[in-house]
Amino acid sequence: NAGVTQTPKFQVLKTGQSMTLQCAQDMNHEYMSWYRQDPGMGLRLIHYSVGAGITDQGEVPNGYNVSRSTTEDFPLRLLSAAPSQTSVYFCASSYRNFFKPQYFGPGTRLLVL
Amino acid sequence: SQQGEEDPQALSIQEGENATMNCSYKTSINNLQWYRQNSGRGLVHLILIRSNEREKHSGRLRVTLDTSKKSSSLLITASRAADTASYFCATLSKGGNNRKLIWGLGTSLAVNP
Repeated sequence: NAGVTQTPKFQVLKTGQSMTLQCAQDMNHEYMSWYRQDPGMGLRLIHYSVGAGITDQGEVPNGYNVSRSTTEDFPLRLLSAAPSQTSVYFCASSYRNFFKPQYFGPGTRLLVL
Repeated sequence: SQQGEEDPQALSIQEGENATMNCSYKTSINNLQWYRQNSGRGLVHLILIRSNEREKHSGRLRVTLDTSKKSSSLLITASRAADTASYFCATLSKGGNNRKLIWGLGTSLAVNP
């Protein structure tokens, strides 16, 4: 199993540009989440999904959209990038619920100029 | 808001020594999880302890949970240079929809050869 994969590994954007961060898992996990990690702030939940077709907001959803059309994929869209969105983004998945361990992808490092 | 708070923020020890890091939280929890993050990588699940458990072991890791003090500790025995990483606790609160983990800011551990 590949586990949780994320692309790209690194991206530079200009303010106002849009892009999609890809996340896929091959473990048939129902739960998937997007986090951002910033120095001194820890991990903050952006959006999460409890199954195909079901998404919900986390702590810091503004400026981001998600969709979950399949169990495997959970892309994160930045609508109009801002310097405040410079961060490292992690996708995670877990089996059935948040009681279970989370499996993390390797992360996407995003720089918005 | 961050519920889990790890201390110390940073810890530097010699190879072979034991490393202890602590996590405190504010509300009643369902379980508490510890994760490791190597530099530039995603988080890796280490151990999960339920609220009705007091101690759990996994290899060189020992986790304790004191729900009366709302705290947990992670002990790494006979540390190795490869244990150099950041360690995070995450709590799942009781009640609500249990759909979000609350993350601490982490303890940065350096194990010197």
